[in-house]
Amino acid sequence: NAGVTQTPKFRILKIGQSMTLQCTQDMNHNYMYWYRQDPGMGLKLIYYSVGAGITDKGEVPNGYNVSRSTTEDFPLRLELAAPSQTSVYFCASSYRPTGPSYEQYFGPGTRLTVT
Amino acid sequence: AQSVTQLDSQVPVFEEAPVELRCNYSSSVSVYLFWYVQYPNQGLQLLLKYLSGSTLVKGINGFEAEFNKSQTSFHLRKPSVHISDTAEYFCAVSDRGNAGKSTFGDGTTLTVKP
Repeated sequence: NAGVTQTPKFRILKIGQSMTLQCTQDMNHNYMYWYRQDPGMGLKLIYYSVGAGITDKGEVPNGYNVSRSTTEDFPLRLELAAPSQTSVYFCASSYRPTGPSYEQYFGPGTRLTVT
Repeated sequence: AQSVTQLDSQVPVFEEAPVELRCNYSSSVSVYLFWYVQYPNQGLQLLLKYLSGSTLVKGINGFEAEFNKSQTSFHLRKPSVHISDTAEYFCAVSDRGNAGKSTFGDGTTLTVKP
């Protein structure tokens, strides 16, 4: 299994541009998440999904959008990029085994700079 | 709502010394507790987890943590650290009944010196 994969690894955007961060998992997990990690800080939840077609806002959703059309994919859309969106973005997934545990599996991250 | 406080932002320690990384949490409901490790330029990976049962949990790479319900703590320990343990460590709490959303602490940077 490849686990959770993210593309691109790095990206530089100009203010006002848009882009989509891709996330794919091959573990058949129900739950998927997008986080951002600013320097010296923990993870802030942007959006999450409990299954295909179901998404909900996290702690810091402004300026972002998501969709979940399949179990495997959970893209994150940035509209009108702003310098405040400069961060490292992590996608994660988790599942419910016979007893739920919610441990998360993380991708390698996308380092985004907005200038 | 739940919250996590990692009491030390940086912990320097010499190789082969013991280490404790402290984590306190607050929640009005039952929770799961996790420690994750992040090596430079990588994503997070699970170190260990507490779901229920024994309050002493053993994880990978010789780490262990103890759940203390009365003190709402979940401190991470290792009796003898190696240079390779240098990394960022995150404590996280999940509400058992709310879609598996985790709240993460701000992280503790463990630096192991030779």
